[in-house]
Amino acid sequence: DAMVIQNPRYQVTQFGKPVTLSCSQTLNHNVMYWYQQKSSQAPKLLFHYYDKDFNNEADTPDNFQSRRPNTSFCFLDIRSPGLGDAAMYLCATSRRTGGEQYFGPGTRLTVT
Amino acid sequence: GQNIDQPTEMTATEGAIVQINCTYQTSGFNGLFWYQQHAGEAPTFLSYNVLDGLEEKGRFSSFLSRSKGYSYLLLKELQMKDSASYLCAVLSGAGSYQLTFGKGTKLSVIP
Repeated sequence: DAMVIQNPRYQVTQFGKPVTLSCSQTLNHNVMYWYQQKSSQAPKLLFHYYDKDFNNEADTPDNFQSRRPNTSFCFLDIRSPGLGDAAMYLCATSRRTGGEQYFGPGTRLTVT
Repeated sequence: GQNIDQPTEMTATEGAIVQINCTYQTSGFNGLFWYQQHAGEAPTFLSYNVLDGLEEKGRFSSFLSRSKGYSYLLLKELQMKDSASYLCAVLSGAGSYQLTFGKGTKLSVIP
C-alpha cells in the first residue's frame, strides 16, 4: 500500500551524539515535512521540502538539519541532541503545498 | 502571528454527539483541517474546509465560518474508538502555506 514510512519507530540516543531519523514515501508527493511534537503539545513544523527546494522555519534550531536526496526519501539529522529534543518526530507528505498532509507513524526519540 | 484555540479536554458518552470547537487568528487563510490522533500515533486526516459551511463525511462533520474565525468538528454516534485527540490546523497563506496546529482536544468516550 502507498504510505509514509518512518524508521526506526523508537530511537534512543545519548546526549550530544548525532542521530538521523529517516522517512520514505511511496505516494510520489512533491512536498515532505518534518514536525516535532512534544507530549500534549501541537506538532511544530521544523522544515519542509517542495521537491528539492528546502524551506526552514525561522525558529528551527541550527541543531536540526535535513536532507532530501530524492523524491522518496527525507532525513532529519540532529547534530547534538539535548534532553529538550526528546519528542515524537513526524514526517508528512502532500501532493502540493497547502494540500492534505499524510503522516507517517512517527519516531519517538529518547535522549539519555 | 498565528493563534489557534480549542478546548483541552472533553468527555462524552458512547452513542452521543459531541462538538469540538476551534477558533483561530492567522495571517492569511487557505483552509482548515481536522486531524485525529490516538495516543502515541501519527495524526490522520479527517476533514478540510476552505469555504464557509458544513462538510459531512459519515459520522464526522466539520463546519467553517471564515468571518468569525471559527470551526467545529461534530462527531455523531460516538464509539469508544473515537477516544483520541482532535487537532485543528489552519493553513495560512503568508507566502509559505504553513500548517499551524492547535494543541488538540483530548476526547474521552465513556460507556
